Amino acid sequence: AQSVTQLDSQVPVFEEAPVELRCNYSSSVSVYLFWYVQYPNQGLQLLLKYLSGSTLVKGINGFEAEFNKSQTSFHLRKPSVHISDTAEYFCAVSEILRKTGKLIFGQGTTLQVKP
Amino acid sequence: EAGVTQFPSHSVIEKGQTVTLRCDPISGHDNLYWYRRVMGKEIKFLLHFVKESKQDESGMPNNRFLAERTGGTYSTLKVQPAELEDSGVYFCASSPLTGGYTFGSGTRLTVV
Repeated sequence: AQSVTQLDSQVPVFEEAPVELRCNYSSSVSVYLFWYVQYPNQGLQLLLKYLSGSTLVKGINGFEAEFNKSQTSFHLRKPSVHISDTAEYFCAVSEILRKTGKLIFGQGTTLQVKP
Repeated sequence: EAGVTQFPSHSVIEKGQTVTLRCDPISGHDNLYWYRRVMGKEIKFLLHFVKESKQDESGMPNNRFLAERTGGTYSTLKVQPAELEDSGVYFCASSPLTGGYTFGSGTRLTVV
């Protein structure tokens, strides 16, 4: 079984500051890793994903994440945030060999960008 | 391309009533998923259709929940009878067989 832990439920940050949203996972099998974002009144949108290869993954809107297998982490970063980045962010994993493609989500982190 | 559409966007019902949520996936997407987020908790998988067949329904909470996918197109999720703990946001997502989810905006269900 897999589990995902997002270590911060809320992260307040000032505009143009850097931010890191932390995600740790637990799994006995190999997994794919994802970050999704949900803006108010919208569905979840894929920010980026790690399937294989380079452990540094770049996504949309200037976000990037680094897969660390030894620490079972997949932290999301952005060097300079904007007000428009205010949203809820979800880390998720999917078992590679499982046919269903089912996602296991963390509890979510609300990023609050202040002017 | 139209996205994944969910109806209604909000629903408030009394305990013991029946509610049916609908999801229209992206045309041609064979995979359809239902997820639920109860207040303050993580988003949890409910079930997965491939075309009209249930591939995995391991996340369905109990037999008060019934999901169908007519002709491999739209899907409905019926809750009968609804209980207070069923309140939450129900998300639908679809993907082609090659993968890559698209989520709908969700249905916020409140049971009072």
